[in-house]
Amino acid sequence: QSALTQPPSASGSPGQSVTISCTGTSSDVGGYNYVSWYQQHPGKAPKLMIYEVSKRPSGVPDRFSGSKSGNTASLTVSGLQAEDEADYYCNSYAGSNNFEVFGGGTKLTVL
Amino acid sequence: QITLKESGPTLVKPTQTLTLTCTFSGFSLSTSGVGVGWIRQPPGKALEWLALIYWDDDKRYSPSLKSRLTITKDTSKNQVVLTMTNMDPVDTATYYCAHRLTGFDYWGQGTLVTVSS
Repeated sequence: QSALTQPPSASGSPGQSVTISCTGTSSDVGGYNYVSWYQQHPGKAPKLMIYEVSKRPSGVPDRFSGSKSGNTASLTVSGLQAEDEADYYCNSYAGSNNFEVFGGGTKLTVL
Repeated sequence: QITLKESGPTLVKPTQTLTLTCTFSGFSLSTSGVGVGWIRQPPGKALEWLALIYWDDDKRYSPSLKSRLTITKDTSKNQVVLTMTNMDPVDTATYYCAHRLTGFDYWGQGTLVTVSS
């Protein structure tokens, strides 16, 4: 069982927006502003999409945005495109004992 | 340009020790704030963080696997090595190494390790 809880699936039509949640505890998501999101296409390595809750690395479209409220972080993909169809994983710093935790992943389908 | 590549055996027997090497370029593991981590992914399953080593040789391990893991670095060779003892079929996974500064911002292609007799 993963430390962070994500919905197994999400979907939306091209052009729509979809939000994926990532729920943890006050010991990880809620306790630190170190939440990252990764996109993974089949057979490929994960790609960093969001770090430190809401920052985008260079080259990541601004259609991708991140936020956090309490123990739940969220990734929003606006203006869905076919290439956004992938698995998405959240990750949080979890303190000096557990250090890093990942979510169980969400499969995003573009209808 | 930062690149990382994992290398090691593709098949190990149960109870054996796995040794994986991450060879990287485009950065130095002596630069303040930089780390290299290992993450694995069983077939069809989620990512699982394993270990992380920082520029100052600070080492962190997944609590559930800590007794089986050792991570080391060779700054002169631009390599990070992960060893995992007492391998079991449930450890079958693709093992990734990744550069860590602002999140895991660069990943290797991954290497599939199968544990089977």
